[in-house]
Amino acid sequence: AQSVTQPDIHITVSEGASLELRCNYSYGATPYLFWYVQSPGQGLQLLLKYFSGDTLVQGIKGFEAEFKRSQSSFNLRKPSVHWSDAAEYFCAVGAFIYGGSQGNLIFGKGTKLSVKP
Amino acid sequence: KAGVTQTPRYLIKTRGQQVTLSCSPISGHRSVSWYQQTPGQGLQFLFEYFSETQRNKGNFPGRFSGRQFSNSRSEMNVSTLELGDSALYLCASSLSRGADTQYFGPGTRLTVL
Repeated sequence: AQSVTQPDIHITVSEGASLELRCNYSYGATPYLFWYVQSPGQGLQLLLKYFSGDTLVQGIKGFEAEFKRSQSSFNLRKPSVHWSDAAEYFCAVGAFIYGGSQGNLIFGKGTKLSVKP
Repeated sequence: KAGVTQTPRYLIKTRGQQVTLSCSPISGHRSVSWYQQTPGQGLQFLFEYFSETQRNKGNFPGRFSGRQFSNSRSEMNVSTLELGDSALYLCASSLSRGADTQYFGPGTRLTVL
């Protein structure tokens, strides 16, 4: 079955430090991969997506992610974190499953990012 | 282009009541998916509608139902509310089905007392 693992439940970084959030997926075919961010009480905002082509993907707010097929990973990075980046981050894989109970977007459990001043 | 809108944003109900939540997708988007988000279970898929037909359904009891109208707007209904139904309900729209990019609304926070 398709699945997404975000190994880190909570990460704290200092403002200005670099950030890497890990994401591993299990999917039998070439995946479509997404990162979303959610501020408290809000919906999910799309940060970036990978469909094909260049394995390094640029997104909004200075984020980037790298697709590594050999490691089944799609880690999110930012060179310098701002206090406003504090939020919860979700990795997801798009699944070409019709009629399935998981739906077409399978999410990880999320990583909560705290930023120290 | 306006984003996904959900109404109401907040709702308080008591056990046994029923509730209807509404979602208006991005203009031109034909697929609408619904998710339930709770601190314990995370994001759970409820169902997907495309061209007024339910295409996928998650593992939720029959108390959870939905529909989609010809203008792609969607509603979900929860009958006989239970305390455990308290959650953030998120709607997402996409141009088409499959693994197309989903864009989320702000959610409806449902509290069941």
